[in-house]
Amino acid sequence: QVQLQESGPGLVKPSETLSLTCAVSGYSISSGYYWGWIRQPPGKGLEWIGSIYHSGSTYYNPSLKSRVTISVDTSKNQFSLKLSSVTAADTAVYYCARVRLATTYFDYWGQGTLVTVSS
Amino acid sequence: SYVLTQPPSVSVAPGQTARITCGGNNIGSKSVHWYQQKPGQAPVLVVYDDSDRPSGIPERFSGSNSGNTATLTISRVEAGDEADYYCQVWDSSSDHPVYVFGTGTKVTVL
Repeated sequence: QVQLQESGPGLVKPSETLSLTCAVSGYSISSGYYWGWIRQPPGKGLEWIGSIYHSGSTYYNPSLKSRVTISVDTSKNQFSLKLSSVTAADTAVYYCARVRLATTYFDYWGQGTLVTVSS
Repeated sequence: SYVLTQPPSVSVAPGQTARITCGGNNIGSKSVHWYQQKPGQAPVLVVYDDSDRPSGIPERFSGSNSGNTATLTISRVEAGDEADYYCQVWDSSSDHPVYVFGTGTKVTVL
């Protein structure tokens, strides 16, 4: 059974960089699939942030591209998100998820982690 | 950018049928996926590629997609179906392909 688990600070100061990691178990990242980050502000809808292939190729939401970096560490079977210059508008539950190859849907999701941007 | 529009809320009595629409420009040309999200939980895929169901999802959940509207249908609604539902597509029509989610619909079981 594939499982994804997000981890990282729950509180980030404005203008600083948000950093999260998604640990994958039950499946080897290096075997393929795309891996992504999605966020959900409190009481609002879902927003895709970006995705990465096991090889390291990435693609980002144009609305966040200038501030986002997603990387993969196959040796630790995990991938990471960095979002720079955060503001209160970046307060959200952040999910990591998997996209099956040759498909366009997210079939496995992490439980999500709330990140609050506040001084 | 591509926009997916859903009704904010749908109310349905137990045992009846709920229909949730997802509107988008020529959405019928895209593969539409649907997620169920209960309070405090991560989204769960309930329909993919317009009308297919992942293993473990009841047959009561079905989907269709044509023209400018995709629809998720929940038959014989149960109290446990009360949740937020989101549609989603992959929009590759521009230089910057993106995953797009709908605005979300809250289903209330009366």
